[in-house]
Amino acid sequence: GAGVSQTPSNKVTEKGKYVELRCDPISGHTALYWYRQSLGQGPEFLIYFQGTGAADDSGLPNDRFFAVRPEGSVSTLKIQRTERGDSAVYLCASSKTGQVAGDEQFFGPGTRLTVL
Amino acid sequence: AQRVTQPEKLLSVFKGAPVELKCNYSYSGSPELFWYVQYSRQRLQLLLRHISRESIKGFTADLNKGETSFHLKKPFAQEEDSAMYYCALSTNAGKSTFGDGTTLTVKP
Repeated sequence: GAGVSQTPSNKVTEKGKYVELRCDPISGHTALYWYRQSLGQGPEFLIYFQGTGAADDSGLPNDRFFAVRPEGSVSTLKIQRTERGDSAVYLCASSKTGQVAGDEQFFGPGTRLTVL
Repeated sequence: AQRVTQPEKLLSVFKGAPVELKCNYSYSGSPELFWYVQYSRQRLQLLLRHISRESIKGFTADLNKGETSFHLKKPFAQEEDSAMYYCALSTNAGKSTFGDGTTLTVKP
């Protein structure tokens, strides 16, 4: 079946602009995760959804970052007033339930965001 | 706060040699540990997890709570094992903490 998909694959924007990154999880997966990966580092947790609600948003760096999942499927990560430091690969993952720590997460290909 | 440390950024071995990728974690409770792998031009994928006690592609990892380690081992490395490997820790549903990864190169 289809895996996790993310669009766009690449996004170049200018400092101060607004961007939206989209994630389509595996059908039927109730849990969805966003991570940010900077060059030379591992994925850094941003936010986790259980259904439509954000169960843990402790990783969002500041109030410029916001994510939604209105129907419990597709999710959008929104970044306002982008800064050069926001440049990174943004990864999305989904899992069946997300309710046990050992639940396998399936990752998308990522969106590479470049802020000029 | 939880933390995962992978002390080696780069590791190079010859084909057929044993390989060990180190992972140390800090967490006071009982975490779930994972190894993820990313092959060239592919997405990140789960290699194995402690809870399953499985061996995938010849790799094994043992959780040592005394040393707070979860090292990944394979007795005979293959060229197709060349990839980026990430150790990760999950302490509750949802949030996972990743190490910064080790790039493994298996030379012919």
